[in-house]
Amino acid sequence: GDSVTQMEGPVTLSEEAFLTINCTYTATGYPSLFWYVQYPGEGLQLLLKATKADDKGSNKGFEATYRKETTSFHLEKGSVQVSDSAVYFCALSSPNTGNQFYFGTGTSLTVIP
Amino acid sequence: NAGVTQTPKFQVLKTGQSMTLQCAQDMNHEYMSWYRQDPGMGLRLIHYSVGAGITDQGEVPNGYNVSRSTTEDFPLRLLSAAPSQTSVYFCASSPTSGASPLHFGNGTRLTVT
Repeated sequence: GDSVTQMEGPVTLSEEAFLTINCTYTATGYPSLFWYVQYPGEGLQLLLKATKADDKGSNKGFEATYRKETTSFHLEKGSVQVSDSAVYFCALSSPNTGNQFYFGTGTSLTVIP
Repeated sequence: NAGVTQTPKFQVLKTGQSMTLQCAQDMNHEYMSWYRQDPGMGLRLIHYSVGAGITDQGEVPNGYNVSRSTTEDFPLRLLSAAPSQTSVYFCASSPTSGASPLHFGNGTRLTVT
């Protein structure tokens, strides 16, 4: 069945460091891919999305490219800030499975000054 | 601009008690869903609805009931609470299922003793 695998955390970085959080997926057909962010005590918020191969989603300095050949959707940011500390979730939605969402287990990021 | 509203924010139950978690959205979204979030397991779908009067089971439906009498409301009922149902519960909605991103409430933290 459809699934998402993302890198284990927690991840701790110094301010201004480069961030990569790996995400790979398994799906039949052509899923849409998403990154969500969860700040402490809050619900998940959409960070970015891509709906077809080679699309790049971007928002607030974060980017992810939909790579069908490697079934990946890695999240990157060139220079992280303390305010980026949160839990990040990769997710997919596929029409082949009734458009249900499947989430990864989440990666906790802490950015230290 | 309320979005998705969940009540209560926190709840403590004794084993065997029942309760209803409330979820309301003011965006006229057809699709609504309930997830539970447990450490190391990401988000798992409990139940979902594609419109008023229509509900279906997700990945972990046992011990939970839902109904969708209006577009706005999607309550989740715990019939007889068990310690295994200790979790954080999120309600989410979207205009339609699929490529439209989910909008999440801020969650209900439930503890069953």
